[in-house]
Amino acid sequence: AQRVTQPEKLLSVFKGAPVELKCNYSYSGSPELFWYVQYSRQRLQLLLRHISRESIKGFTADLNKGETSFHLKKPFAQEEDSAMYYCALSGSNYQLIWGAGTKLIIKP
Amino acid sequence: GAVVSQHPSRVICKSGTSVKIECRSLDFQATTMFWYRQFPKQSLMLMATSNEGSKATYEQGVEKDKFLINHASLTLSTLTVTSAHPEDSSFYICSARGPQNWAFFGQGTRLTVV
Repeated sequence: AQRVTQPEKLLSVFKGAPVELKCNYSYSGSPELFWYVQYSRQRLQLLLRHISRESIKGFTADLNKGETSFHLKKPFAQEEDSAMYYCALSGSNYQLIWGAGTKLIIKP
Repeated sequence: GAVVSQHPSRVICKSGTSVKIECRSLDFQATTMFWYRQFPKQSLMLMATSNEGSKATYEQGVEKDKFLINHASLTLSTLTVTSAHPEDSSFYICSARGPQNWAFFGQGTRLTVV
């Protein structure tokens, strides 16, 4: 079955600490993985796409096919990183299969 | 970047009435749009896939007669919640497949049925 799992509903870290938001997936085939972010009172927006292998706002994510993971990482959290983060997988017909989301709170 | 505009952002309606939500891709053509519903503290739930010029594909458990979807042009899809009831109160979000096949999202519509 195609599935995206974000095990943590809430993650709270101090400013300046490293952040890792976990994402595991189940998919038969070659997946395309994404991270989307929703800041307070704003729309969902694309943060990262595994194919592009870029760093956005200091965040990186590496696709680990062996562990079927696509964890989102940032070495030093900032207060403006507080948001809801969703991991998603692109399936057939370009539908996105969504994780449940992780609320990230950065404490000052 | 690509922009998806969703309107209205907030609507309150009486029980039994119908509400139409519009989703427009402003600077690109979208043959496929998606409609989601988001319950509080839960993830996005895909309701249906809207294809330009053809019938929408509904997810299991979503009533197609209640949630009417029309994708009449390459830049506009509409979701009509018919005979709305309080349990239909929710946050509805549309997305469109844009450049490089990325999904771009509307700002969402908060529907409250009283």
